[in-house]
Amino acid sequence: DAKTTQPNSMESNEEEPVHLPCNHSTISGTDYIHWYRQLPSQGPEYVIHGLTSNVNNRMASLAIAEDRKSSTLILHRATLRDAAVYYCILMGTGNQFYFGTGTSLTVIP
Amino acid sequence: NAGVTQTPKFQVLKTGQSMTLQCAQDMNHNSMYWYRQDPGMGLRLIYYSASEGTTDKGEVPNGYNVSRLNKREFSLRLESAAPSQTSVYFCASSERQGPLGNTIYFGEGSWLTVV
Repeated sequence: DAKTTQPNSMESNEEEPVHLPCNHSTISGTDYIHWYRQLPSQGPEYVIHGLTSNVNNRMASLAIAEDRKSSTLILHRATLRDAAVYYCILMGTGNQFYFGTGTSLTVIP
Repeated sequence: NAGVTQTPKFQVLKTGQSMTLQCAQDMNHNSMYWYRQDPGMGLRLIYYSASEGTTDKGEVPNGYNVSRLNKREFSLRLESAAPSQTSVYFCASSERQGPLGNTIYFGEGSWLTVV
């Protein structure tokens, strides 16, 4: 299964936009790009997913590079509640998708 | 809806003891999963069940067994607990497997300590 690469940590000021990058250079044509986040002492929760086109929902936006080898999760206005570990994972035909270690986002008041 | 429910939430075991982690989902999902998360690490897949009646090994299956009791329930058993199995365990479910935008729903986790 394809793997992803994310920075270990990022910081953002409250109410500013945050861009969380993810590299997935070995992505296959049928892999969907999913983002999950994990708040402290909780299970991960779904954020957004996409295949080729940019996607928006009430939580975030997902920008996918034209060659699909990278993507960026965009939080438009970071709040303290957005402090979490964000995971970028690829979902294809199998069930063994890998979460990796994700990006720990710190939001500064 | 309760979503994915795991029990127990906390458990302390002695080395060599056995125990079963229970998981149930009320979303009529076909696929269920067990993950473990060690401190500062991401989630690693232990076992999964793509549909009722089937189970398959994930990334780290050694020392564990699973049972897909019915469509709702998927249990994880430690036959002889070891300190290396101290971890947080997450059960999860999804409507189906495959590439068609498969959203996974997680339980709140079970904190297991083996002394």
